[in-house]
Amino acid sequence: ELKVEQNPLFLSMQEGKNYTIYCNYSTTSDRLYWYRQDPGKSLESLFVLLSNGAVKQEGRLMASLDTKARLSTLHITAAVHDLSATYFCAVDAGLGTSYGKLTFGQGTILTVHP
Amino acid sequence: EPEVTQTPSHQVTQMGQEVILRCVPISNHLYFYWYRQILGQKVEFLVSFYNNEISEKSEIFDDQFSVERPDGSNFTLKIRSTKLEDSAMYFCASNDGSNTEAFFGQGTRLTVV
Repeated sequence: ELKVEQNPLFLSMQEGKNYTIYCNYSTTSDRLYWYRQDPGKSLESLFVLLSNGAVKQEGRLMASLDTKARLSTLHITAAVHDLSATYFCAVDAGLGTSYGKLTFGQGTILTVHP
Repeated sequence: EPEVTQTPSHQVTQMGQEVILRCVPISNHLYFYWYRQILGQKVEFLVSFYNNEISEKSEIFDDQFSVERPDGSNFTLKIRSTKLEDSAMYFCASNDGSNTEAFFGQGTRLTVV
């Protein structure tokens, strides 16, 4: 059974600081996704990582994927309050009938304060 | 931009009642999914659907749950006899099968009282 673990689960950051959220998973996959969720809202797609070594950046967020280490990172640069949200990674290890089935991490609750 | 739409956005129901949650996936998509998120917890896979049949289901998806694509556009999740612990946000998602991301709807918040 695929397991996806994020850490930290809670992250309190000062504005302007940098930090990294880690996502480890337990089985071979080269399809990993990062989502943002605001309270009571849906999942907003942030990054789609589809190969080993993939790196994508959008604004203050950068995501990478190391399929050999089964690890993805979400790096936050110079945090601002607007980044406060819950961040989920999700792994698609589906083959055949499991195609597209996502297994989510527990989520990281990020709070950015002045 | 195409999107997955879900109705209703919020449903309150009494324990033991049947509910149907509705989803309209993106029109050229072939794979459909339901996920559940209990308040404050992670998103959990319920079921996937392809070629008019269930392709995989989780342990959560027991006999009280069923899915249907009744008319080629809607994709529904039925919960036959709701329990308090069914209270959650339910997300529908669809995928076009080209090895890219699934698109999520805005969710239906189900509250069982």
